[in-house]
Amino acid sequence: DGGITQSPKYLFRKEGQNVTLSCEQNLNHDAMYWYRQDPGQGLRLIYYSQIVNDFQKGDIAEGYSVSREKKESFPLTVTSAQKNPTAFYLCASSIGTASSNQPQHFGDGTRLSIL
Amino acid sequence: DAKTTQPNSMESNEEEPVHLPCNHSTISGTDYIHWYRQLPSQGPEYVIHGLTSNVNNRMASLAIAEDRKSSTLILHRATLRDAAVYYCILRLNAGGTSYGKLTFGQGTILTVHP
Repeated sequence: DGGITQSPKYLFRKEGQNVTLSCEQNLNHDAMYWYRQDPGQGLRLIYYSQIVNDFQKGDIAEGYSVSREKKESFPLTVTSAQKNPTAFYLCASSIGTASSNQPQHFGDGTRLSIL
Repeated sequence: DAKTTQPNSMESNEEEPVHLPCNHSTISGTDYIHWYRQLPSQGPEYVIHGLTSNVNNRMASLAIAEDRKSSTLILHRATLRDAAVYYCILRLNAGGTSYGKLTFGQGTILTVHP
């Protein structure tokens, strides 16, 4: 079955540590996104990528980094510069960003907590 | 960004229809209206979207006002599995510096009673 796989489901970070969240899709989608969701809140866009080897900052990119070396993969690194990383992280993909007609498909998320 | 306004919560009984309203008075002419839903501890799930005409799919129907300032998501027969947070989202028309991002608000918490 095609879909988006996020791992791990739960992740704990120590002070000063960088952690990387995995996102893999087999939908052959060009565009991929990372969102952050805080309790009781909507999603906020961290980074997005429209094509391999290209990515752009979203609304809250500070303290995060991404790479897009393969079409299928869009890992997110939460760096030590992100002072409030505890949140639910969601990865999504879509056929493209060029049209507002295309729905986004989401993974089941990674819940990151501070130790 | 054009914003949407939804009730914080709604309740329904199983097997009954549910009408979830959304106001978007500042919608632009080319913005699509998207609906997603999110179950606890899961990622959002696409439900339906439309531009001007009413839309139907296997999950729901979307009724769009003639002036496009409001819309209603219709679940024809609610089941317990429909209990979720429902988000009404205006999808920015991507082009130039825009990138079609989804801007999620607070959404409506739908409770379905057996």
